[in-house]
Amino acid sequence: DGGITQSPKYLFRKEGQNVTLSCEQNLNHDAMYWYRQDPGQGLRLIYYSQIVNDFQKGDIAEGYSVSREKKESFPLTVTSAQKNPTAFYLCASSFLAGGSTDTQYFGPGTRLTVL
Amino acid sequence: GQQVMQIPQYQHVQEGEDFTTYCNSSTTLSNIQWYKQRPGGHPVFLIQLVKSGEVKKQKRLTFQFGEAKKNSSLHITATQTTDVGTYFCAPPGGGADGLTFGKGTHLIIQP
Repeated sequence: DGGITQSPKYLFRKEGQNVTLSCEQNLNHDAMYWYRQDPGQGLRLIYYSQIVNDFQKGDIAEGYSVSREKKESFPLTVTSAQKNPTAFYLCASSFLAGGSTDTQYFGPGTRLTVL
Repeated sequence: GQQVMQIPQYQHVQEGEDFTTYCNSSTTLSNIQWYKQRPGGHPVFLIQLVKSGEVKKQKRLTFQFGEAKKNSSLHITATQTTDVGTYFCAPPGGGADGLTFGKGTHLIIQP
């Protein structure tokens, strides 16, 4: 059953704690992305990766970190430096279309609440 | 990434009425994608438009790409409760082969 999975679905953390959100895909996609969505808003890009062991900052990378040790996995760490981390986090993946734009497939998301 | 403006931000319609959302860019777009996000869900790809003046249909949904490739629209005929959600346009941007998402149009349907 192919797809992209995120865990956990809901996550609560105390202020000052780091937390890692999981994202796994078995679609053999090269590229993976992390987005943040606030209520009633669009999606803002945090980080993206085109290849293992390489990743790039998106529009709102401050306070976040990522790793890409395996093609299938792209975990996101929300650090204590992120001033307003409560949000809905979406992971996506796509093939690299070599200059054009390929469809992105999204995971179900993780709702992070900082208490 | 290439910035787009989507209007309206919210749209209330009675079930059975038509609905249109518009996506406007100040620059020429190479292509544009549309996604739908149900309440509490994640975005799902609907379609990609590439050619100037392109029109594509999916049942009650009609997608258009402007002649100048600076705007796009999504029209839904005779809305149903299953159409509820947020519709996003997404031109290229946000990292190599990535997308830039508009703020979306929230469609609310009253039965």
